Amino acid sequence: EAGVAQSPRYKIIEKRQSVAFWCNPISGHATLYWYQQILGQGPKLLIQFQNNGVVDDSQLPKDRFSAERLKGVDSTLKIQPAKLEDSAVYLCASSLRGWNEQFFGPGTRLTVL
Amino acid sequence: AQSVTQLGSHVSVSEGALVLLRCNYSSSVPPYLFWYVQYPNQGLQLLLKYTSAATLVKGINGFEAEFKKSETSFHLTKPSAHMSDAAEYFCAVSDPNTNAGKSTFGDGTTLTVKP
Repeated sequence: EAGVAQSPRYKIIEKRQSVAFWCNPISGHATLYWYQQILGQGPKLLIQFQNNGVVDDSQLPKDRFSAERLKGVDSTLKIQPAKLEDSAVYLCASSLRGWNEQFFGPGTRLTVL
Repeated sequence: AQSVTQLGSHVSVSEGALVLLRCNYSSSVPPYLFWYVQYPNQGLQLLLKYTSAATLVKGINGFEAEFKKSETSFHLTKPSAHMSDAAEYFCAVSDPNTNAGKSTFGDGTTLTVKP
């Protein structure tokens, strides 16, 4: 079974630039998550999709972050414009249902200079 | 609301010694509980999970955890540490009563294993 795929693995940008991350979940998984993991902290949920609908985006900074999940499969997370404090690892995960175990991708390490 | 507290952001043990990583949770409903491990530059990987069946849960790599409702705890243990166990460990809680139950993660415990 193929795992959760993410790209790119690393990204370095200047502040005020924009960046996009891509995630392909495990086939058949209805729930998809985007997390932000700052060094030394646990994953913080940014947005949770159930199929292609948003279940929870309460911690997503909507003035600069946006996310979509096309046709209930792949998802993209965008930051525009980026700030220094956005430097973090962005993890994508998927699960069969929201309360099930989550399967994580390798993450994208973002550095904002 | 649910939350997770991991006591001790860093734990250091000698190879062959007992590993004990602490996790306490808060949840308004009977929760599902998970332990994940994260190796450097990788995503999180499930070690074990509690889903309201047996309170003593066995996972991969010799780890186990015990759900204690009275103590609201789900501590992770391994009888004998190996060098390869050095990693970051995260405890998580989720609400199984909704189809889209939200998971909350602790801040993690970094395990160092000394030779």
